[in-house]
Amino acid sequence: DTAVSQTPKYLVTQMGNDKSIKCEQNLGHDTMYWYKQDSKKFLKIMFSYNNKELIINETVPNRFSPKSPDKAHLNLHINSLELGDSAVYFCASTSQYARDSYTFGSGTRLTVV
Amino acid sequence: AQSVAQPEDQVNVAEGNPLTVKCTYSVSGNPYLFWYVQYPNRGLQFLLKYITGDNLVKGSYGFEAEFNKSQTSFHLKKPSALVSDSALYFCAVRVFNDMRFGAGTRLTVKP
Repeated sequence: DTAVSQTPKYLVTQMGNDKSIKCEQNLGHDTMYWYKQDSKKFLKIMFSYNNKELIINETVPNRFSPKSPDKAHLNLHINSLELGDSAVYFCASTSQYARDSYTFGSGTRLTVV
Repeated sequence: AQSVAQPEDQVNVAEGNPLTVKCTYSVSGNPYLFWYVQYPNRGLQFLLKYITGDNLVKGSYGFEAEFNKSQTSFHLKKPSALVSDSALYFCAVRVFNDMRFGAGTRLTVKP
Protein backbone atom coordinates (compact mmCIF):
# COMPACT_ATOMS: atom_id res chain seq x y z
CA ASP A 1 0.00 0.00 0.00
CA THR A 2 1.34 3.38 -1.02
CA ALA A 3 1.91 5.61 2.01
CA VAL A 4 1.72 8.96 0.19
CA SER A 5 0.01 8.83 -3.17
CA GLN A 6 -0.25 11.61 -5.71
CA THR A 7 -2.40 11.78 -8.81
CA PRO A 8 -1.82 12.24 -11.62
CA LYS A 9 1.78 11.15 -12.07
CA TYR A 10 2.10 13.11 -15.30
CA LEU A 11 0.15 16.16 -16.39
CA VAL A 12 0.56 17.95 -19.72
CA THR A 13 -1.61 20.98 -20.27
CA GLN A 14 -1.79 24.23 -22.19
CA MET A 15 -1.02 27.68 -20.86
CA GLY A 16 -4.00 29.35 -19.27
CA ASN A 17 -5.68 26.15 -18.14
CA ASP A 18 -6.65 25.32 -14.56
CA LYS A 19 -5.54 21.99 -13.10
CA SER A 20 -5.49 20.14 -9.81
CA ILE A 21 -3.10 17.65 -8.25
CA LYS A 22 -4.32 15.39 -5.48
CA CYS A 23 -2.44 13.91 -2.55
CA GLU A 24 -3.50 11.37 0.03
CA GLN A 25 -1.61 9.75 2.89
CA ASN A 26 -2.58 6.69 4.90
CA LEU A 27 0.08 7.06 7.59
CA GLY A 28 -2.08 8.81 10.15
CA HIS A 29 0.09 11.92 9.87
CA ASP A 30 -1.35 15.30 10.78
CA THR A 31 0.86 17.55 8.67
CA MET A 32 1.15 17.65 4.89
CA TYR A 33 3.24 19.64 2.44
CA TRP A 34 3.66 20.63 -1.17
CA TYR A 35 7.16 21.07 -2.54
CA LYS A 36 8.16 22.19 -6.03
CA GLN A 37 11.24 20.75 -7.70
CA ASP A 38 12.42 22.82 -10.62
CA SER A 39 14.54 21.82 -13.59
CA LYS A 40 17.71 22.36 -11.56
CA LYS A 41 16.40 19.87 -9.00
CA PHE A 42 16.06 22.49 -6.29
CA LEU A 43 13.34 21.60 -3.76
CA LYS A 44 11.29 24.55 -2.56
CA ILE A 45 8.55 24.35 0.02
CA MET A 46 5.27 25.87 -1.08
CA PHE A 47 2.64 25.10 1.53
CA SER A 48 2.09 23.17 4.70
CA TYR A 49 -1.11 22.16 6.44
CA ASN A 50 -1.51 20.84 9.96
CA ASN A 51 -4.88 19.30 10.78
CA LYS A 52 -6.44 21.17 7.87
CA GLU A 53 -4.95 24.51 8.90
CA LEU A 54 -2.45 26.37 6.74
CA ILE A 55 0.81 26.79 8.66
CA ILE A 56 3.38 27.53 5.97
CA ASN A 57 2.65 29.68 2.97
CA GLU A 58 5.80 30.61 1.13
CA THR A 59 6.00 33.27 -1.52
CA VAL A 60 3.92 31.52 -4.13
CA PRO A 61 1.70 33.18 -6.76
CA ASN A 62 -1.96 33.48 -5.83
CA ARG A 63 -2.72 31.21 -8.77
CA PHE A 64 -1.70 28.33 -6.50
CA SER A 65 -4.31 27.38 -3.93
CA PRO A 66 -3.99 24.41 -1.59
CA LYS A 67 -7.02 22.73 -0.11
CA SER A 68 -7.13 20.25 2.73
CA PRO A 69 -10.56 18.64 3.15
CA ASP A 70 -9.23 16.48 5.99
CA LYS A 71 -5.85 15.74 7.49
CA ALA A 72 -5.26 12.80 5.14
CA HIS A 73 -5.65 14.86 1.98
CA LEU A 74 -3.94 17.92 0.57
CA ASN A 75 -4.77 19.01 -2.95
CA LEU A 76 -3.13 21.69 -5.06
CA HIS A 77 -5.13 23.73 -7.52
CA ILE A 78 -3.36 25.90 -10.07
CA ASN A 79 -5.18 28.58 -12.05
CA SER A 80 -4.09 30.14 -15.31
CA LEU A 81 -1.10 27.89 -15.79
CA GLU A 82 2.12 29.46 -17.08
CA LEU A 83 5.16 27.94 -18.77
CA GLY A 84 7.21 28.58 -15.61
CA ASP A 85 4.92 26.34 -13.60
CA SER A 86 6.43 23.33 -15.34
CA ALA A 87 8.13 21.32 -12.62
CA VAL A 88 7.75 18.23 -10.49
CA TYR A 89 5.46 18.73 -7.51
CA PHE A 90 5.95 16.55 -4.46
CA CYS A 91 3.54 15.96 -1.65
CA ALA A 92 4.92 14.94 1.75
CA SER A 93 3.58 14.20 5.22
CA THR A 94 4.80 13.91 8.79
CA SER A 95 3.61 13.96 12.37
CA GLN A 96 3.66 17.37 13.97
CA TYR A 97 5.45 16.45 17.17
CA ALA A 98 7.62 13.66 15.86
CA ARG A 99 11.24 14.51 15.25
CA ASP A 100 10.99 12.38 12.22
CA SER A 101 11.55 12.33 8.53
CA TYR A 102 8.95 13.31 6.00
CA THR A 103 7.40 10.69 3.74
CA PHE A 104 7.24 11.81 0.13
CA GLY A 105 4.95 10.89 -2.70
CA SER A 106 6.44 9.88 -6.03
CA GLY A 107 5.77 13.27 -7.59
CA THR A 108 3.62 14.82 -10.31
CA ARG A 109 5.46 16.00 -13.38
CA LEU A 110 3.61 19.03 -14.70
CA THR A 111 4.43 20.23 -18.20
CA VAL A 112 2.82 23.42 -19.46
CA VAL A 113 2.95 23.89 -23.23
CA ALA B 1 15.37 30.68 9.47
CA GLN B 2 17.13 27.36 9.15
CA SER B 3 19.13 26.45 6.05
CA VAL B 4 21.51 23.86 4.69
CA ALA B 5 24.24 24.16 2.10
CA GLN B 6 25.61 21.45 -0.13
CA PRO B 7 28.76 22.94 -1.60
CA GLU B 8 29.20 20.36 -4.36
CA ASP B 9 26.81 20.05 -7.28
CA GLN B 10 28.50 16.86 -8.41
CA VAL B 11 30.61 14.17 -6.78
CA ASN B 12 32.31 11.46 -8.83
CA VAL B 13 33.86 8.37 -7.28
CA ALA B 14 35.03 5.02 -8.51
CA GLU B 15 33.21 1.90 -7.44
CA GLY B 16 34.71 0.45 -4.28
CA ASN B 17 36.16 3.76 -3.13
CA PRO B 18 34.83 5.65 -0.12
CA LEU B 19 32.45 8.51 -0.80
CA THR B 20 31.62 11.71 1.03
CA VAL B 21 28.80 14.13 0.23
CA LYS B 22 29.12 17.35 2.16
CA CYS B 23 26.48 19.33 4.03
CA THR B 24 26.65 22.29 6.39
CA TYR B 25 23.71 23.73 8.28
CA SER B 26 22.56 26.92 9.93
CA VAL B 27 19.88 26.78 12.61
CA SER B 28 19.00 28.34 15.93
CA GLY B 29 18.92 25.72 18.64
CA ASN B 30 19.37 21.99 18.24
CA PRO B 31 19.24 20.78 14.66
CA TYR B 32 17.29 17.84 13.37
CA LEU B 33 19.23 16.79 10.29
CA PHE B 34 18.33 14.39 7.52
CA TRP B 35 19.67 12.86 4.33
CA TYR B 36 17.44 11.82 1.48
CA VAL B 37 18.20 10.13 -1.84
CA GLN B 38 16.33 10.63 -5.10
CA TYR B 39 16.63 8.18 -7.96
CA PRO B 40 15.58 9.26 -11.48
CA ASN B 41 11.85 9.90 -11.81
CA ARG B 42 11.24 8.93 -8.20
CA GLY B 43 10.32 10.67 -4.98
CA LEU B 44 12.70 11.30 -2.12
CA GLN B 45 13.63 8.36 0.05
CA PHE B 46 14.77 8.79 3.63
CA LEU B 47 18.33 7.58 4.32
CA LEU B 48 19.17 8.62 7.85
CA LYS B 49 18.71 11.28 10.51
CA TYR B 50 20.43 12.93 13.44
CA ILE B 51 18.25 14.04 16.32
CA THR B 52 20.41 13.56 19.40
CA GLY B 53 22.94 11.12 20.81
CA ASP B 54 25.89 9.61 18.96
CA ASN B 55 27.44 11.88 16.40
CA LEU B 56 27.82 9.01 13.94
CA VAL B 57 24.49 7.81 12.64
CA LYS B 58 23.94 4.82 10.42
CA GLY B 59 21.23 4.54 7.82
CA SER B 60 19.97 2.60 4.86
CA TYR B 61 22.12 0.98 2.16
CA GLY B 62 25.31 1.18 4.22
CA PHE B 63 25.33 4.98 4.45
CA GLU B 64 26.35 6.86 7.55
CA ALA B 65 26.69 10.51 8.49
CA GLU B 66 28.73 12.35 11.05
CA PHE B 67 27.25 15.25 12.99
CA ASN B 68 29.89 17.85 13.85
CA LYS B 69 28.52 20.64 15.99
CA SER B 70 31.65 22.79 15.98
CA GLN B 71 31.83 22.74 12.19
CA THR B 72 28.02 22.76 11.76
CA SER B 73 28.37 19.90 9.33
CA PHE B 74 26.55 16.66 8.62
CA HIS B 75 28.49 14.91 5.87
CA LEU B 76 27.17 11.73 4.30
CA LYS B 77 29.63 8.87 3.94
CA LYS B 78 29.93 5.34 2.69
CA PRO B 79 33.06 3.19 3.01
CA SER B 80 32.70 1.50 -0.37
CA ALA B 81 30.61 3.02 -3.17
CA LEU B 82 28.43 0.99 -5.51
CA VAL B 83 27.37 1.93 -9.02
CA SER B 84 23.79 1.65 -7.78
CA ASP B 85 24.47 4.49 -5.32
CA SER B 86 24.45 6.91 -8.25
CA ALA B 87 21.61 9.33 -7.54
CA LEU B 88 20.75 12.80 -6.27
CA TYR B 89 21.33 13.34 -2.54
CA PHE B 90 19.66 15.98 -0.42
CA CYS B 91 20.58 17.19 3.02
CA ALA B 92 17.77 18.74 5.07
CA VAL B 93 17.21 20.46 8.40
CA ARG B 94 13.92 20.41 10.27
CA VAL B 95 12.73 22.97 12.82
CA PHE B 96 9.36 21.93 14.20
CA ASN B 97 7.11 21.55 11.12
CA ASP B 98 9.42 23.22 8.63
CA MET B 99 12.00 21.18 6.70
CA ARG B 100 14.39 22.94 4.34
CA PHE B 101 16.52 21.19 1.79
CA GLY B 102 19.91 21.84 0.30
CA ALA B 103 20.33 22.23 -3.43
CA GLY B 104 21.25 18.58 -3.85
CA THR B 105 24.45 16.80 -4.89
CA ARG B 106 24.54 14.44 -7.82
CA LEU B 107 26.63 11.40 -6.99
CA THR B 108 28.03 9.38 -9.87
CA VAL B 109 29.80 6.11 -9.12
CA LYS B 110 31.78 4.77 -12.05
CA PRO B 111 32.59 1.10 -12.52
